[in-house]
Amino acid sequence: DIQMTQSPSSLSASIGDRVTISCQASQDINKYLNWYQQKPGKAPNLLIFDTSDLETGVPSRFSGSGSGTHFTFTISSLQPEDVATYSCQQSYMLPYTFGQGTKLEIK
Amino acid sequence: EELLVQSGAEVKKPGESLKISCKGSGYGFTSYWIAWVRQVPGKGLEWMGFIYPGDSDARYSPSFQGQVTFSADKSITTAYLQWNSLRASDTAMYYCARRRMTNLGLAIGAFDMWGQGTMVTVSS
Repeated sequence: DIQMTQSPSSLSASIGDRVTISCQASQDINKYLNWYQQKPGKAPNLLIFDTSDLETGVPSRFSGSGSGTHFTFTISSLQPEDVATYSCQQSYMLPYTFGQGTKLEIK
Repeated sequence: EELLVQSGAEVKKPGESLKISCKGSGYGFTSYWIAWVRQVPGKGLEWMGFIYPGDSDARYSPSFQGQVTFSADKSITTAYLQWNSLRASDTAMYYCARRRMTNLGLAIGAFDMWGQGTMVTVSS
């Protein structure tokens, strides 16, 4: 199975800050990396697919980049409603696998 | 409105059987893969596999192969996740999720719509 490692596991930032989360794959996954937001007690919500494609209706402050084994998720200006856990997921090869999640809090 | 609605929370004893459901509405249910995803409380997401309701073709993660069974009933646009003999380690939230399609009708590996989750608790 492809292992997905996110960093950091948690972070605290201020409103308006630029926030970056990393996701590393244990092998080359081309561009097949997706990002989800999960608010407490809720189901995950797809934000970005295929590394950098923004899902319909998702605010443009969210973005993704990378290729191969190293990927980055960015929030350009943190908003209060962005408090959540963010998870990456590879869809290059079955079984699909997720990172362990990054919990984002407001400082 | 496109929706996936899951059945309610379950409390079971070890060794019991269980079948939970995921009903799709507002879209072409038979044309989209439905995945099942496990989340143990406080832990990350785990892809269990998916099923194509159009012909019930199913793919399982090796971690769950033989432990669970996916099925689908096209006539009532519902997918199911079933256990024959539950264990305490099956205690988790289970989500169904729809596999995203491109504008060209190709399925990609991201999941663009999720059910609300079904909490399964297995305890003696």
